[in-house]
Amino acid sequence: DGGITQSPKYLFRKEGQNVTLSCEQNLNHDAMYWYRQDPGQGLRLIYYSQIVNDFQKGDIAEGYSVSREKKESFPLTVTSAQKNPTAFYLCASSNGGAGGHNEQFFGPGTRLTVL
Amino acid sequence: SQKIEQNSEALNIQEGKTATLTCNYTNYSPAYLQWYRQDPGRGPVFLLLIRENEKEKRKERLKVTFDTTLKQSLFHITASQPADSATYLCALETGANNLFFGTGTRLTVIP
Repeated sequence: DGGITQSPKYLFRKEGQNVTLSCEQNLNHDAMYWYRQDPGQGLRLIYYSQIVNDFQKGDIAEGYSVSREKKESFPLTVTSAQKNPTAFYLCASSNGGAGGHNEQFFGPGTRLTVL
Repeated sequence: SQKIEQNSEALNIQEGKTATLTCNYTNYSPAYLQWYRQDPGRGPVFLLLIRENEKEKRKERLKVTFDTTLKQSLFHITASQPADSATYLCALETGANNLFFGTGTRLTVIP
């Protein structure tokens, strides 16, 4: 089955701890994205990567970090510097504009709760 | 500042009627506009894409229009069914290949 997976589905963290969210895709997509979704707000872009070993900050990158060592994987670390980390986190991938558009395929999401 | 507005947070409609959702934007010049469906607790799923030089796009019971003069897209679901109940998101794609999402409209189709 081709697709994009995120783990875990639910994650609890104590204040002051870093936590890493996993995102894997087997769609052979070049581009991958991390979004955050809060109630009543649209998806906001945290980081994106158009190619392996390269990534750029999105609109709300502060307190987050990423790596892109493999095409299939784009893990997101929520650091203790993120002031309000409780949210629903969504990972997505796409062909990155090949063919002229950027339909994105989303994972099932990880709900992070900071206790 | 750049802004994407979807007409209302929630829309209730009777089964069998046509649902019309609105997406308005300011200070963008999108090359493409996309619509996604999101069910509670799940990731969005792509539905339709329309290019700036297209006026209308259809897929089964779905129809999207795109008016770059009015800076507006309309999303229609004809013969709506309870299974169409979900949140629908519009997203604009600029030349940088990133998507900017609206806040979504939660549609409820009442049997």
